[in-house]
Amino acid sequence: EVQLVESGGGLVQPGGSLRLSCAASGFIFRDYEFNWVRQAPGKGLEWVSYISRSGSLIYYADSVKGRFTVFRDNANNSLFLQMNSLRAEDTGIYYCARPGGYLDSWGQGTRVTVSA
Amino acid sequence: DIQMTQSPSTLSASVGDRVTVTCRASQSISSWLAWYQQKPGKAPKLLIYKASVLERGVPSRFSGTESGTEFTLTISSLQPDDFATYYCQQYDTYSKTFGQGTRVEIK
Repeated sequence: EVQLVESGGGLVQPGGSLRLSCAASGFIFRDYEFNWVRQAPGKGLEWVSYISRSGSLIYYADSVKGRFTVFRDNANNSLFLQMNSLRAEDTGIYYCARPGGYLDSWGQGTRVTVSA
Repeated sequence: DIQMTQSPSTLSASVGDRVTVTCRASQSISSWLAWYQQKPGKAPKLLIYKASVLERGVPSRFSGTESGTEFTLTISSLQPDDFATYYCQQYDTYSKTFGQGTRVEIK
């Protein structure tokens, strides 16, 4: 069974940092591209970032470019999102999802709250 | 960036109704469009990809069609489990975009 489990969310002050993790199981991790998608409270879905199978190709939404970094550890079946210079508008639930185009598997999400 | 305009934002319907949600892309995306269902407190669930291909395990009352840059999700006979929010998503580019969502509520 495909499983994606996010962790690392929490409460952080504006300007702070968080690192989100996504632990994968039930499939061959290195064979899949991944995305991060977020959802602000009561709002719709927003794509955040994409990473290729090897990690050599990466894309970001304009809203996070220069502040967020996505990377992966294929040896340990894990995906990460390093979030720096956090802003109030980054508040929401962050999901990891595979594969690269349409998203057939999602984690349960981890909640990020940016507030003083 | 490609914009996805989804309508309506809210839809009131009864069990057994035929329901249609529309998504329009700001430019051609070929058939690179997916539909998702999301229930409160849950992750989105893939329903349809490549505009009209039903994901495994999704009931056949869900269907997707396309006409140029306009895409439609149809639920042929609304069931109690279908009251949820639906999103379209284009994946023609690496920079994916979602529609604003359509909440299907009980009439």
